[in-house]
Amino acid sequence: AQSVAQPEDQVNVAEGNPLTVKCTYSVSGNPYLFWYVQYPNRGLQFLLKYITGDNLVKGSYGFEAEFNKSQTSFHLKKPSALVSDSALYFCAVRVNTGGFKTIFGAGTRLFVKA
Amino acid sequence: EAGVVQSPRYKIIEKKQPVAFWCNPISGHNTLYWYRQNLGQGPELLIRYENEEAVDDSQLPKDRFSAERLKGVDSTLKIQPAELGDSAVYLCASSLGQGDSLDTQYFGPGTRLTVL
Repeated sequence: AQSVAQPEDQVNVAEGNPLTVKCTYSVSGNPYLFWYVQYPNRGLQFLLKYITGDNLVKGSYGFEAEFNKSQTSFHLKKPSALVSDSALYFCAVRVNTGGFKTIFGAGTRLFVKA
Repeated sequence: EAGVVQSPRYKIIEKKQPVAFWCNPISGHNTLYWYRQNLGQGPELLIRYENEEAVDDSQLPKDRFSAERLKGVDSTLKIQPAELGDSAVYLCASSLGQGDSLDTQYFGPGTRLTVL
């Protein structure tokens, strides 16, 4: 079955420190991977995506993600966390099931403390 | 540019009552999605439209849920009758409709439904 997993329900990091939010996937064929962020009472906002090419993808708000094919991972990273980064982060994979469908992970809550 | 608009933002109803949600996608976006997001989970696709056509409604509980996208722009999602388990956030999203891996979805703020 094609799926995406976010192994951590919550990640805590101090402001100014680097952050990593983990994501692993299981798909047949080439993976198309996305990260979204959700702030309270708001819809999901697109951060970045990997389709092909460079394994390090840069996105909005200083976030980046590294595609690792051998480990089937697509971890979200930021060199220096901000309190305002505190939100819910979703990893997603786009799969072709006779038409493309996006499957979302369960989400990881990031808490950045001042 | 305006984003995806949804209304209402919040809705509280008693079980067995009907409810409807409305979505206005980003101008020019041909593809429209309805997702349901349960508490503590990621969004799950209910239905996807390409223009007026529902091309993927395999996850839509058709006994009580219905959707339409007349004229290929705005869309309405209806539940009749609502059950307690329908309490969730209903998200609408739209995309250009390239129909391929490059198609990025843009989400509305959602409608939070509470069924009592």
